[in-house]
Amino acid sequence: LAKTTQPISMDSYEGQEVNITCSHNNIATNDYITWYQQFPSQGPRFIIQGYKTKVTNEVASLFIPADRKSSTLSLPRVSLSDTAVYFCLVGDRAGGSYIPTFGRGTSLIVHP
Amino acid sequence: DSGVTQTPKHLITATGQRVTLRCSPRSGDLSVYWYQQSLDQGLQFLIQYYNGEERAKGNILERFSAQQFPDLHSELNLSSLELGDSALYFCASSVYDRVNTGELFFGEGSRLTVL
Repeated sequence: LAKTTQPISMDSYEGQEVNITCSHNNIATNDYITWYQQFPSQGPRFIIQGYKTKVTNEVASLFIPADRKSSTLSLPRVSLSDTAVYFCLVGDRAGGSYIPTFGRGTSLIVHP
Repeated sequence: DSGVTQTPKHLITATGQRVTLRCSPRSGDLSVYWYQQSLDQGLQFLIQYYNGEERAKGNILERFSAQQFPDLHSELNLSSLELGDSALYFCASSVYDRVNTGELFFGEGSRLTVL
């Protein structure tokens, strides 16, 4: 079964670049890697998705090595409003069904 | 605003009772997913429906059931409630059958408190 592992928490300061790595050793060949952001008492919100190499959008970059067993979410120049929990999502499979499985998430705290 | 609507936002009830949580997906989305989030368990997948049919099942208790109606809204029924069922229940929708090819859009959640 696919499983993701992320650091439980990270601390950073305003203006710094933050890199959060997710391990997904058993990712399936056709699975994408998707990252979500969640603020307290709100639903998770999509940040970025990729399959391999590097993907960049206006919010973040996603780096995926060739073996795809891990991925790194990069947040450039974080601000206080980036304080949130970040989840990576890959698939899981049970009885032939595809189950979108979130990890425990990384709680990022950005300090002034 | 994700376009996914969940009601009620807050619900307080007693042990042994039954509640129904409702979700309206984004316009055009055929898939609905239910998740439970508690402090000690993280974001746990419960069940998925696609165009009215159950597509995938996670760690959903037998006391819980769900369905998706012809208008694509979904309801999650929780019965014989226990204190441990207190959690945030999220609904998410997607246009795709398999979310690995697209993103999930989450509602704001229904906070259930069982006393």
